[in-house]
Amino acid sequence: DAKTTQPNSMESNEEEPVHLPCNHSTISGTDYIHWYRQLPSQGPEYVIHGLTSNVNNRMASLAIAEDRKSSTLILHRATLRDAAVYYCILLNSGGYQKVTFGTGTKLQVIP
Amino acid sequence: DTGVSQDPRHKITKRGQNVTFRCDPISEHNRLYWYRQTLGQGPEFLTYFQNEAQLEKSRLLSDRFSAERPKGSFSTLEIQRTEQGDSAMYLCASSPGQVNTGELFFGEGSRLTVL
Repeated sequence: DAKTTQPNSMESNEEEPVHLPCNHSTISGTDYIHWYRQLPSQGPEYVIHGLTSNVNNRMASLAIAEDRKSSTLILHRATLRDAAVYYCILLNSGGYQKVTFGTGTKLQVIP
Repeated sequence: DTGVSQDPRHKITKRGQNVTFRCDPISEHNRLYWYRQTLGQGPEFLTYFQNEAQLEKSRLLSDRFSAERPKGSFSTLEIQRTEQGDSAMYLCASSPGQVNTGELFFGEGSRLTVL
């Protein structure tokens, strides 16, 4: 399975943008880039995903490098509720998926 | 239907006892996953069902672990002869189709403590 590399932790001030990086240098052409986040004492929740083009939704934006070897999750205005562990994972277009999460980035939001 | 439901949310047991966790996925989601998460780590894949068929099992799933999804709806995860190393959060997730183009919906997990 292609692996991802993320910083262990990051800090952001409340109401400022946050850019969470993810490296995936061994990504294959059929791998989708997905982001999930896990709030304390909860299961992970889906944030966003993309293949090649940048993506926006109500929660965040995903910026994908042209060579697809890295991506960045952008939270436009961090709130205290965004304090969580953010996971970047790769999913390919195979028939079924054995989704494996790494250790993610723990985001701390400072009031 | 409000999401993936897991029961019990917390279980404390003594070493050597058997425990069973139940997962009710979102209605009509044909794919169901079990994960295990220990403190400070990301979720680790345990097993995957498509409808009632168990299509993949991780090597983490020793012979003391068994999972079923008898009618393609709810699923159970049983751990026999529990060990202290089994203490973890057990997460269930479901999806309506292929997850590479969609999303996994997780439950809030069942936390197991083995004394």
